[in-house]
Amino acid sequence: GAVVSQHPSRVICKSGTSVKIECRSLDFQATTMFWYRQFPKQSLMLMATSNEGSKATYEQGVEKDKFLINHASLTLSTLTVTSAHPEDSSFYICSAREGQVDYTFGSGTRLTVV
Amino acid sequence: GQNIDQPTEMTATEGAIVQINCTYQTSGFNGLFWYQQHAGEAPTFLSYNVLDGLEEKGRFSSFLSRSKGYSYLLLKELQMKDSASYLCAPIDSNYQLIWGAGTKLIIKP
Repeated sequence: GAVVSQHPSRVICKSGTSVKIECRSLDFQATTMFWYRQFPKQSLMLMATSNEGSKATYEQGVEKDKFLINHASLTLSTLTVTSAHPEDSSFYICSAREGQVDYTFGSGTRLTVV
Repeated sequence: GQNIDQPTEMTATEGAIVQINCTYQTSGFNGLFWYQQHAGEAPTFLSYNVLDGLEEKGRFSSFLSRSKGYSYLLLKELQMKDSASYLCAPIDSNYQLIWGAGTKLIIKP
């Protein structure tokens, strides 16, 4: 089946630094990539939606200058958390969509900002 | 607005059957997914319903009634490894997944 490789799985960074999370579709072309954030015991919160070659669409309340999304190819999308702070510590998950309802999730990235 | 309603937590016994209900309200509807999510992991696909009725897949079955905005996930022959959160996620008119908080299922021996 379809696979989305998400890296890193865990990252610890110092406050004020930037972290890049990468999602790569291994055997299909992801026309749309979704980036989610999930806090403990809460639902997945959609941060942004990106289509290959175009700017990402951010959900209300998500700072686009802080969470930089790049979807330069049909197989690769990246999320960069810039100037990370402890409140950005969370579980970040990408989901690639091929077609209309074929969603494949990455394995998630646990970000801890100290 | 868009809304998902599932029980927050359920407890069941190993070997038994449990039904997790989900009611939803969305702007348009293009099917509904059920996902399983273990703590600290990404969701994994269980089922997809787009037409009314029951879809059976091994120990797991999922039912959909579009007119009632209602779905359920039925888990049979429960195993300890089934302890997880179960997420009901309908798809709206923009083909976006709409997420609720999920149901935490606790399996006891």
